[in-house]
Amino acid sequence: ELKVEQNPLFLSMQEGKNYTIYCNYSTTSDRLYWYRQDPGKSLESLFVLLSNGAVKQEGRLMASLDTKARLSTLHITAAVHDLSATYFCAVDIWSGGSNYKLTFGKGTLLTVNP
Amino acid sequence: EAGVAQSPRYKIIEKRQSVAFWCNPISGHATLYWYQQILGQGPKLLIQFQNNGVVDDSQLPKDRFSAERLKGVDSTLKIQPAKLEDSAVYLCASSVTGHSSYNEQFFGPGTRLTVL
Repeated sequence: ELKVEQNPLFLSMQEGKNYTIYCNYSTTSDRLYWYRQDPGKSLESLFVLLSNGAVKQEGRLMASLDTKARLSTLHITAAVHDLSATYFCAVDIWSGGSNYKLTFGKGTLLTVNP
Repeated sequence: EAGVAQSPRYKIIEKRQSVAFWCNPISGHATLYWYQQILGQGPKLLIQFQNNGVVDDSQLPKDRFSAERLKGVDSTLKIQPAKLEDSAVYLCASSVTGHSSYNEQFFGPGTRLTVL
C-alpha cells in the first residue's frame, strides 16, 4: 500500500523566513501534485510535477521532485501571512488498466506570524 | 469556465438516517472522483468513475455507501444508514481523464456532513 508522508505536519513561521515542507512516498511514481487548502475551503491546485528533476515556481513557493529518492519538497521563501493554509502533496500511481489515482499526505498546516 | 459544483454545502443528520450528495463536474471532464476528508487528514478516494463506469471503488464502504454517475456527467453519493464516523467533508473532483496522461484534478467546494 502506498504511503505518503509529509513533514512537518505543523509549521509556525515568522514573516520573512524561509522553510521547506517535505513529502516522501513509498512506491515508484513520477507524478506528484501540491494542493493548498484554506480553512473551510476546497483544494486549490498549486503545482503539477511530472518527471524526475521537475521544478516549478510560483511567487514565493517552489516545488521540486526527485523520483529516485521518492521525495518532493515545497520551499517557501520570505513567508507572508497570506501563505497561511494547509498544504497537501498527492502522489499519482497506477491503479490498474490505464487508470491512475491520487493518494494524499496528511497535510502541513502552515501558520505565518507577523 | 465553471468549476466543479456540489450540493448541498452543509448537512446535519442523525445517525441511521440517509443522505445524498450531488456533484456536477467541469464540462468535458470524463473522470469523476468522490473523496472523504476527515478533519485533520488528507482526502481519501472513495470512488472513481470514468464516464459512467466505475474504475475504482476499493475504499468505498459498500455496505452503506453507494454512488452512481448516470449518463457520464452528474454524480450522486449516498450514505444509508449514516454512522457517527461518517462525519467529514465529501469532496467531488474531476479531471479530463484518469488515464496515462497527467491527471490534474479539480475539486469542488465540498459538502460538510455532520452525523449526530
